[in-house]
Amino acid sequence: DAKTTQPNSMESNEEEPVHLPCNHSTISGTDYIHWYRQLPSQGPEYVIHGLTSNVNNRMASLAIAEDRKSSTLILHRATLRDAAVYYCILRPDYSGGGADGLTFGKGTHLIIQP
Amino acid sequence: EPEVTQTPSHQVTQMGQEVILRCVPISNHLYFYWYRQILGQKVEFLVSFYNNEISEKSEIFDDQFSVERPDGSNFTLKIRSTKLEDSAMYFCASRAGTGRRMNTEAFFGQGTRLTVV
Repeated sequence: DAKTTQPNSMESNEEEPVHLPCNHSTISGTDYIHWYRQLPSQGPEYVIHGLTSNVNNRMASLAIAEDRKSSTLILHRATLRDAAVYYCILRPDYSGGGADGLTFGKGTHLIIQP
Repeated sequence: EPEVTQTPSHQVTQMGQEVILRCVPISNHLYFYWYRQILGQKVEFLVSFYNNEISEKSEIFDDQFSVERPDGSNFTLKIRSTKLEDSAMYFCASRAGTGRRMNTEAFFGQGTRLTVV
């Protein structure tokens, strides 16, 4: 999988927007950008994914740079429950005979202050 | 909302013993996975399973590990002879979709904490 780079940690205040950056300068044209998060003592949880266009769902928004070398996960109004480790992962659209499992990095530890 | 279920939530075993970790994936999913997370470390991929066979495995998944889908609903991970370093959280995951397209999300269970003493 192509490599991603994320800050080790970020801090935000409750009820404020949070922008979590991810750099993926070696992304290929068919790589999807996936975001997962892991709340304390829980399994990873899917958040959102996209290819080229910005995406919105009930949990978050994903803003993808025009050159696709970076992306930003946006939590519009953070709550204490959003405190988690957030992982940015690239997935090829079709892996052929290659890798199928997700490759998790260290992610960004998001701290929410009340 | 459908979910991936893992049992037990915590398993303690003696070194050298065999353990079986159980998972019930989401019913219409086709791809199944095991991951592990040693305390304080990254989530690591172990194995993927599709069409009743292993499709990919990592270096961690050596001969001590095996997976099985015995009855069309359960998906198990067996560790034949546990070592102290096998102590970790083990997560099962499943994914829908046909073919190998990677634009569908994986759903993870809550994990089984394995403690080898």
